[in-house]
Amino acid sequence: DAGVIQSPRHEVTEMGQEVTLRCKPISGHDYLFWYRQTMMRGLELLIYFNNNVPIDDSGMPEDRFSAKMPNASFSTLKIQPSEPRDSAVYFCASSLMKGEQYFGPGTRLTVT
Amino acid sequence: QQPVQSPQAVILREGEDAVINCSSSKALYSVHWYRQKHGEAPVFLMILLKGGEQKGHDKISASFNEKKQQSSLYLTASQLSYSGTYFCGTAAGGTSYGKLTFGQGTILTVHP
Repeated sequence: DAGVIQSPRHEVTEMGQEVTLRCKPISGHDYLFWYRQTMMRGLELLIYFNNNVPIDDSGMPEDRFSAKMPNASFSTLKIQPSEPRDSAVYFCASSLMKGEQYFGPGTRLTVT
Repeated sequence: QQPVQSPQAVILREGEDAVINCSSSKALYSVHWYRQKHGEAPVFLMILLKGGEQKGHDKISASFNEKKQQSSLYLTASQLSYSGTYFCGTAAGGTSYGKLTFGQGTILTVHP
């Protein structure tokens, strides 16, 4: 099993640009989670899906952030427009039912 | 609300033991423990469910006191590979069943 796959691994962009992060969960997993990790705020849940349906997006910081899961094997997190304070490592994780979560390698986003 | 972990950091010699605590102000359904090494993704260690038994894996075990809303992670005869940041993630019941809130992390350093 390839595990959770995220792309890109690193993204450097200028303020105001659109950023799209991608995630492929482990096959057969029915939960998908998007997290953001910074030194100041730690590991924060942004949004999670169950069977492709968004369940809780209360952690999404602003309307600039949006996430979709068009099918069981793909999800995107989009930031438009991006700001320097969005710089962080973004992790995608998946799980079967409500068990252990398997994290992807993360995308390190830098907004200048 | 974020669970509180203690201590914030601990330094050990190989072979020594450590305990990391996780305390929540909310009633909990489950507690997850993860370890993250620098520059890598969090890796699942174990999950403890309400009404479940103390879990163990090799020399790492954990307990869950539902009444006190606390969990503890026990590392015995520590090895160099145990170094990293340990996070507890807590889930409440009901509609928040699948949603984890992570503590701020405990940095564990094991020296030869």
